[in-house]
Amino acid sequence: DVKVTQSSRYLVKRTGEKVFLECVQDMDHENMFWYRQDPGLGLRLIYFSYDVKMKEKGDIPEGYSVSREKKERFSLILESASTNQTSMYLCASSLGQLVDTQYFGPGTRLTVL
Amino acid sequence: AQKITQTQPGMFVQEKEAVTLDCTYDTSDPSYGLFWYKQPSSGEMIFLIYQGSYDQQNATEGRYSLNFQKARKSANLVISASQLGDSAMYFCAMREVDSSYKLIFGSGTRLLVRP
Repeated sequence: DVKVTQSSRYLVKRTGEKVFLECVQDMDHENMFWYRQDPGLGLRLIYFSYDVKMKEKGDIPEGYSVSREKKERFSLILESASTNQTSMYLCASSLGQLVDTQYFGPGTRLTVL
Repeated sequence: AQKITQTQPGMFVQEKEAVTLDCTYDTSDPSYGLFWYKQPSSGEMIFLIYQGSYDQQNATEGRYSLNFQKARKSANLVISASQLGDSAMYFCAMREVDSSYKLIFGSGTRLLVRP
């Protein structure tokens, strides 16, 4: 079974703090993704990576950066957290084939005060 | 323009009955894939079923089937014999082959199964 883990289920931070969200997958997947989920908006792609040290912006990259130093690990960084970044953050990975099913972690619910 | 539309924000179904969750999509790419995910209250997105645009038959996975009508650009999820554990949010998603593995999600449908 594919296993995608995220470092925290719940996180509370203050405005202006630097925040790291970690994601690890154990299936040697090529692709990794970060989404945020807000009520009524579904999931929106923040960034994705198709290889180590490679990254591409998704639909809403502003205010975020990412790091992929190792194949199994993909980090989402909020350089200076703001209250409008309060959300559920979901990490996913996929093999990188034509069908390319994405498998998700349990999510991190981030609250920025 | 919205690419994935789920018009039912919430639905009820009686236990053991079948339910259909609607999904329409919009793409000009002839090659694409359609996915359904389930998100229980725990938060994790669980992959349910996949349909490729060139697949001749509708996809089925256990109690889940996908009613794929290409000309109408619809990909409705059918859950047969609903169970209490089916209560969750359900998301339809699309991947266009040209889109670098990106998935586009609908806004979701919350399904509640009544005992």
